[in-house]
Amino acid sequence: AQSVAQPEDQVNVAEGNPLTVKCTYSVSGNPYLFWYVQYPNRGLQFLLKYITGDNLVKGSYGFEAEFNKSQTSFHLKKPSALVSDSALYFCAVREYTGGFKTIFGAGTRLFVKA
Amino acid sequence: DTAVSQTPKYLVTQMGNDKSIKCEQNLGHDTMYWYKQDSKKFLKIMFSYNNKELIINETVPNRFSPKSPDKAHLNLHINSLELGDSAVYFCASSQDTSASYEQYFGPGTRLTVT
Repeated sequence: AQSVAQPEDQVNVAEGNPLTVKCTYSVSGNPYLFWYVQYPNRGLQFLLKYITGDNLVKGSYGFEAEFNKSQTSFHLKKPSALVSDSALYFCAVREYTGGFKTIFGAGTRLFVKA
Repeated sequence: DTAVSQTPKYLVTQMGNDKSIKCEQNLGHDTMYWYKQDSKKFLKIMFSYNNKELIINETVPNRFSPKSPDKAHLNLHINSLELGDSAVYFCASSQDTSASYEQYFGPGTRLTVT
């Protein structure tokens, strides 16, 4: 079965500093990887995805993610954090079990301090 | 215009009652989902429909019954509510069942069973 792991429950970063939210995956076959963000009392919003092609994927709000096949990682990054980036971030992988379903990681809470 | 909408936003009810949550998407997507997010923010798929047909049915108690009258609507009916059903329920949609498509989430329905 496919799975994703987010090793950090929480990441703290100062505004203006670069941020990284880590994700590792375990899949059989080609991975279909996603990042979503959840603000308080809201639904998840899609940030970016890796399907194929360039290992560096650019997404919404200045976020990017690097797909690393050898390390089975798909870390989310942003060069300069904003206080408004504070939210819950989910890494996800698509798994086929008679139909494609999304397996979400446990989530990483990002706190950006002014 | 809200892409994926859910009603109600909050639902407080007593054990043993029956309740329904409604979901509508105006994105023209073929595939819709129900997710449950527990108090630790863990997100798990419950059901997935494609063009009104059930394609994913996770290990969910029979008390939960989804219905899709058309591809723009997916409702969730819950019988004999239990305390453990308390959670936030999210509806989502994607263009179709392909692994490469991201999902669009509704704002969630916070169900509290007392």
